[in-house]
Amino acid sequence: QQQVKQSPQSLIVQKGGISIINCAYENTAFDYFPWYQQFPGKGPALLIAIRPDVSEKKEGRFTISFNKSAKQFSLHIMDSQPGDSATYFCAASTDSSRGSEKLVFGKGTKLTVNP
Amino acid sequence: EAQVTQNPRYLITVTGKKLTVTCSQNMNHEYMSWYRQDPGLGLRQIYYSMNVEVTDKGDVPEGYKVSRKEKRNFPLILESPSPNQTSLYFCASSSDRDLALAKNIQYFGAGTRLSVL
Repeated sequence: QQQVKQSPQSLIVQKGGISIINCAYENTAFDYFPWYQQFPGKGPALLIAIRPDVSEKKEGRFTISFNKSAKQFSLHIMDSQPGDSATYFCAASTDSSRGSEKLVFGKGTKLTVNP
Repeated sequence: EAQVTQNPRYLITVTGKKLTVTCSQNMNHEYMSWYRQDPGLGLRQIYYSMNVEVTDKGDVPEGYKVSRKEKRNFPLILESPSPNQTSLYFCASSSDRDLALAKNIQYFGAGTRLSVL
């Protein structure tokens, strides 16, 4: 049973466009929602993260939108650049003393930004 | 430089030949884990360790062993590798300090690409 569903599996965007990746979850105990970015040949690295007490978090061109009632969150990349081409993973973990170390990942989205 | 180091980066082996993938972190993190990444399946946790001598199974532990005798090292052992263990493996670490703040920030190594023939 997949706890975090991510879509689309792949995405092609023109330079300057907006890239949008969506994730949905079922477990209401999730309390921390990070996004990881992975370049070819590298390990994933934390990009941006959000908690459910806010509906949006922005860092530069990257924005997380969070809809608690719908149990959905999404990553928006504004003014997408070829250097943003990578695989993006959404993830979720619980806010508890036991279990907060468990991070559940979506299956990933391969983003290609064409020049 | 803070980092998680995995070795080897690439490994080709044959079915049944025991192998070990090493992982070391220099951030004094308490928590370490192993993941495998397969196309279309994302990252799946194999084993994790909360501290020295404390380990537990993740989502896909079958065919793997781990040990945590030192805080900085967390090797992954395949006693009898099989072709279905051909995959890209990542080691990751997190600090208890972040986890206590419910910020599960995992620092990943560069990966080990394993092929079992």
